[in-house]
Amino acid sequence: EVQLVESGGGFVQPGGSLRLSCAASGFTFSGYSMNWVRQAPGKGLEWVSYISSTSTIYYADSVKGRFTFSRDNAKNSLYLQMNSLRDDDTAVYYCARGMAAVGYYYYGMDVWGQGTTVTVSS
Amino acid sequence: DIQMTQSPSSLSASVGDRVTITCRASQSISNYLNWYQQKPGKAPKFLIYAASSLQSGVPSRFSGSGSGTDFTLTISGLQPEDLATYYCQQSYTTPVLTFGGGTKVEIK
Repeated sequence: EVQLVESGGGFVQPGGSLRLSCAASGFTFSGYSMNWVRQAPGKGLEWVSYISSTSTIYYADSVKGRFTFSRDNAKNSLYLQMNSLRDDDTAVYYCARGMAAVGYYYYGMDVWGQGTTVTVSS
Repeated sequence: DIQMTQSPSSLSASVGDRVTITCRASQSISNYLNWYQQKPGKAPKFLIYAASSLQSGVPSRFSGSGSGTDFTLTISGLQPEDLATYYCQQSYTTPVLTFGGGTKVEIK
């Protein structure tokens, strides 16, 4: 079964740090690009970051310079290091597998984890 | 940056109704447009890619259309299990992605 399982969420004070993990199984992890997407309470989806199969990385402007996305293909795992956390980083964080159905720009996310909750508050 | 605007933000319809959700891009994105369904308390599910192609396993009552800046998601014959929030997402600027604000579909 293709599966993504996030972990590492929790409660942290503003300015603090947290490291999220995402464990992949059931597919050839090293061959796929991956993403983090977040959802603030009662709000819509926000794309956070992308990592290619060869570790080229892009970030949303809202997290650039504060978050670091990495992957370990030997462990079938993703990591999101979140520093200088702010109240507006409070959200459920999903990892999601990238899929380019019929060409590079036809890019979506076809497998999602269940999410891990990050709460930033004093 | 490309902005994605969905309308309406919410709607209520009866079982069997035809439901249409609109997504508008702030600039032309060709057909680089995906749709997702998110049921309450669950992760999103990938429904449609390239504006009109159904992901494997998605019921045929779902359809998508559009190109350029204007896109629609149609549910032909709303079912109780379609209670969800629907999001569009542009991939014109892959790998930097943008979602619409979402449309919540409720059942009367």
